[in-house]
Amino acid sequence: SQQGEEDPQALSIQEGENATMNCSYKTSINNLQWYRQNSGRGLVHLILIRSNEREKHSGRLRVTLDTSKKSSSLLITASRAADTASYFCATDKSRISGGYNKLIFGAGTRLAVHP
Amino acid sequence: GAGVSQSPSNKVTEKGKDVELRCDPISGHTALYWYRQSLGQGLEFLIYFQGNSAPDKSGLPSDRFSAERTGGSVSTLTIQRTQQEDSAVYLCATLPVFGELFFGEGSRLTVL
Repeated sequence: SQQGEEDPQALSIQEGENATMNCSYKTSINNLQWYRQNSGRGLVHLILIRSNEREKHSGRLRVTLDTSKKSSSLLITASRAADTASYFCATDKSRISGGYNKLIFGAGTRLAVHP
Repeated sequence: GAGVSQSPSNKVTEKGKDVELRCDPISGHTALYWYRQSLGQGLEFLIYFQGNSAPDKSGLPSDRFSAERTGGSVSTLTIQRTQQEDSAVYLCATLPVFGELFFGEGSRLTVL
């Protein structure tokens, strides 16, 4: 079954606004990662947050992780039209499942940023 | 090459035919994954390789699906007797040791 589930499924905003996407998961994890996918392309890694971290920043991206609630959020500040893409969270249970990184992806959030 | 390379990028086939999809990983990446993505959906895990062995094949949907990896490098995903429900984008990703996955651009399969 799917480990990570993003919400909302779709988000439409204006350039300059902030975009927040949420991810919930079911079991304990080693780390959680966010990926971006432009239409018809492969996925590109954005950021990884470990289970002992609560917040991480990378440029205009801010990721939080709440292991007690089994949830994470991705915030994109001052959005641009070029941020239009699908965003996926992926959870890694490697330490728990016994030795390798098996990333389980959610269904994604489709973000549209309008000029 | 510098990135993960997949071929073909697009494949249209008739129902009942066999297809082979190829993945050339980043040199030195020992772990290799295959995922499937149906239109507008998330990624469905198919199989994981560590070197040439596949410790986790749990995501392969049926015995029509198989995969192999040779020399700890190139991997081939084979779908026999394709069905229309096999239509999807098949994504390959590799991992150096730990951390982020590096994805190829995918192979789009259309079964008529």
